[in-house]
Amino acid sequence: GESVGLHLPTLSVQEGDNSIINCAYSNSASDYFIWYKQESGKGPQFIIDIRSNMDKRQGQRVTVLLNKTVKHLSLQIAATQPGDSAVYFCAEYSPGANSKLTFGKGITLSVRP
Amino acid sequence: NAGVMQNPRHLVRRRGQEARLRCSPMKGHSHVYWYRQLPEEGLKFMVYLQKENIIDESGMPKERFSAEFPKEGPSILRIQQVVRGDSAAYFCASSPTSGRGGETQYFGPGTRLLVL
Repeated sequence: GESVGLHLPTLSVQEGDNSIINCAYSNSASDYFIWYKQESGKGPQFIIDIRSNMDKRQGQRVTVLLNKTVKHLSLQIAATQPGDSAVYFCAEYSPGANSKLTFGKGITLSVRP
Repeated sequence: NAGVMQNPRHLVRRRGQEARLRCSPMKGHSHVYWYRQLPEEGLKFMVYLQKENIIDESGMPKERFSAEFPKEGPSILRIQQVVRGDSAAYFCASSPTSGRGGETQYFGPGTRLLVL
C-alpha cells in the first residue's frame, strides 16, 4: 500500500492491496476523531471513530491509528476493493467547539482493477 | 430506520431569488448541523441547532443566511437573494445528543444548489 498526506489529493492503489490514508489534524486539544467516506453525489458516510485516550481502533477491514504527539491520524483499509473508491475525510472535535466538526480537505482513493 | 433526509436534492436558482433547503433528522435525533461543501473541498460548519434553538451559528454568513429547527417539522436553511458564490452542496447531519465530548454525526445526501 501507499501512504499520502493531505497535500497530495489522490491515492491510487491496486485492488487487493492495503491502503493507508493520512491526516494531520490542526488542534492539539481535539479529543475525538472520525473518518468519513464520500462517494460521488452522496453525503459523507461514517467509517470509524477514535477518542484521544486510544491510539488504535479496528473495524471491519479498517483500522484507525492516532498519534497525538505529532497530531497525526491514519486510516488503513485492508484488501482494498473497487467499492472503496471515494473521497475520504478526517474530522475532529475540539472541546469547547460546541459540537462542530472540523474537516480536512479530503483524499481521493482510486482503486485499480 | 430512515437516515437523514434532505430535499430537494438539486436546486437551481437565479441570482436574487431565495433558496430553501430542508432537513429531517434521523428518528430520535434532536440535534441538527448544517455544513457547506465547495467543489474539491471539505465540509465547512455553518450552524448547529436543537429544537427551537440555535446553539452555534459561528459558521453562518452574517447576512442573507438563516436557519431554524421548529418544534414540528424539518430544519430549514434559508438563503435570501442568492449570489453565484452560494453555489455549493449543503449537507445536514444529525446526532442523538449534543455531541459534546464527541458524538457521531450522520449525514444526509445533501442539496446541490446552483445559482445561475
